[in-house]
Amino acid sequence: DTGVSQNPRHKITKRGQNVTFRCDPISEHNRLYWYRQTLGQGPEFLTYFQNEAQLEKSRLLSDRFSAERPKGSFSTLEIQRTEQGDSAMYLCASSPDKGGRVTYEQYFGPGTRLTVT
Amino acid sequence: KNEVEQSPQNLTAQEGEFITINCSYSVGISALHWLQQHPGGGIVSLFMLSSGKKKHGRLIATINIQEKHSSLHITASHPRDSAVYICAVRIYNQGGKLIFGQGTELSVKP
Repeated sequence: DTGVSQNPRHKITKRGQNVTFRCDPISEHNRLYWYRQTLGQGPEFLTYFQNEAQLEKSRLLSDRFSAERPKGSFSTLEIQRTEQGDSAMYLCASSPDKGGRVTYEQYFGPGTRLTVT
Repeated sequence: KNEVEQSPQNLTAQEGEFITINCSYSVGISALHWLQQHPGGGIVSLFMLSSGKKKHGRLIATINIQEKHSSLHITASHPRDSAVYICAVRIYNQGGKLIFGQGTELSVKP
């Protein structure tokens, strides 16, 4: 399967614990996006990378959140000291977008569902 | 007010009916996406369009850039079309991130 993959698919954690999610984009896709989706809502943008550079972070991304894409391939999203409000689906998407005038599709992974108890 | 508004939020139809979902946006965009999300979370891209109309099977998407409005039509609806349909826009010159509507939950009854 050459689509976007995310691990784990589900994570249940206790409040205050740290969690880390991984996203493997489609090979050679330059751009990688993280979104968060709470129940009954559309996804919201968190951050994105162009290769290994993190180019934008949403105001939704508090200091407890950090994302990396160290070699421009897979990415990790870490949440420290989780809170119940962090419970959501975390979606990753990748795109071959190189930042020019052409608009490209985004390809979504299956998501990681986080439950903070 | 959200930058992307969809209507209706919920829609129940009988199999075979023609369905329309609407999306209005308030910002300048370089593209608009229609996405489908099934229970369990997976999102599939149905259309990406910046002008005019696109058709794929029983699905048709249109966009009017001047009116900042798009519609997704499903002809001869089928229970397997039951899903959440999400409109998302790519804001011009903002790195390709998508701004999403809240989604329309469609249920097609046999």
